Amino acid sequence: NAGVMQNPRHLVRRRGQEARLRCSPMKGHSHVYWYRQLPEEGLKFMVYLQKENIIDESGMPKERFSAEFPKEGPSILRIQQVVRGDSAAYFCASSPIRESEAFFGQGTRLTVV
Amino acid sequence: GESVGLHLPTLSVQEGDNSIINCAYSNSASDYFIWYKQESGKGPQFIIDIRSNMDKRQGQRVTVLLNKTVKHLSLQIAATQPGDSAVYFCAENSNDYKLSFGAGTTVTVRA
Repeated sequence: NAGVMQNPRHLVRRRGQEARLRCSPMKGHSHVYWYRQLPEEGLKFMVYLQKENIIDESGMPKERFSAEFPKEGPSILRIQQVVRGDSAAYFCASSPIRESEAFFGQGTRLTVV
Repeated sequence: GESVGLHLPTLSVQEGDNSIINCAYSNSASDYFIWYKQESGKGPQFIIDIRSNMDKRQGQRVTVLLNKTVKHLSLQIAATQPGDSAVYFCAENSNDYKLSFGAGTTVTVRA
């Protein structure tokens, strides 16, 4: 059973471009969570999704950021018009049910130049 | 608002010694806590968890202690090994799914 798969592992974007981060949850997991980690800080919750639904997006910036988890395919975190401050590691986690342990992927490290 | 934090940002420990990593939290309503280990370039890895109806839980070489009176959590690692070098985070699970992480303690094991 493969773990949570994130790609790409590293992503470089110029200011103003779009970044698309993908997350395939573990098999059988229908709950996906995205977190952002700035250098030398802990992870900060961004959004919680269940298949085709956004359950909690309280940690997501109101502009430029969006997330989806379609019925088929991976969850996507999309950042439009990236700025230098978006440079961070973005982690996805998944769980089989809401209250259970969440397993993290290896993260996507976004660098905005 | 809730806050989860660690007492020390770095810990250097001799191989074979025991390590103790501390964490304080401020939300007295918190009822579930988790310790994660994060190695360089990797995602957080679950180590051990504890619910508020317990004050101690043991795993393989690790023990988590919870003191609800002073809102303090600690992770003890027995016989620390070089592979234990990593950043350790305590996290509080609120609303059944949302994890609030502390800033992390970097553990370095000296040979």
